[in-house]
Amino acid sequence: QQPVQSPQAVILREGEDAVINCSSSKALYSVHWYRQKHGEAPVFLMILLKGGEQKGHEKISASFNEKKQQSSLYLTASQLSYSGTYFCGTASLYNQGGKLIFGQGTELSVKP
Amino acid sequence: KAGVTQTPRYLIKTRGQQVTLSCSPISGHRSVSWYQQTPGQGLQFLFEYFSETQRNKGNFPGRFSGRQFSNSRSEMNVSTLELGDSALYLCASSDPSGGNTEAFFGQGTRLTVV
Repeated sequence: QQPVQSPQAVILREGEDAVINCSSSKALYSVHWYRQKHGEAPVFLMILLKGGEQKGHEKISASFNEKKQQSSLYLTASQLSYSGTYFCGTASLYNQGGKLIFGQGTELSVKP
Repeated sequence: KAGVTQTPRYLIKTRGQQVTLSCSPISGHRSVSWYQQTPGQGLQFLFEYFSETQRNKGNFPGRFSGRQFSNSRSEMNVSTLELGDSALYLCASSDPSGGNTEAFFGQGTRLTVV
């Protein structure tokens, strides 16, 4: 039931782009993306809802393929501050945003 | 608005003891969820409280329990601590009045069981 994230880790140079994928075997109502830096709390990035609504930071973009139960997070023109572990959390039903099932995380490292 | 506040930040307990962790959500948020984070298992859902009622529960033993007060503050209790309970415990608050929405995490409580 845990969504699968890929890749597990990625190393970028500043300015490069990356895509992080999240795939679930269950039907999804919403996908939530977070970034966590070492020793800090996960920070909300984006929520994508069934039906196409999405909400999140301006500089972050993501997609949600409802038929395939897949979501992708697009990081463009990466900056050093993008480094951290990215998690997708999934909810299968409306009003279950408080019960997120998280993927195992994707570790992103941006080098100068 | 103040963020989600968790206390204490660090805790060291002995096997067999019990522990209580506290979470104060963002003002106006009525949902509080608890997660356990470990290097091996990642982020795992424990339970969610909404308007003082447990709304969802994860797959953890009965030693893990929680409650929510009328001001939405929540506590989590772990009894008969085991070494494997060592983890970062995170709480997240949200306002689900409009359906699934973003959740905001606190800094967590780092529990070490010795």
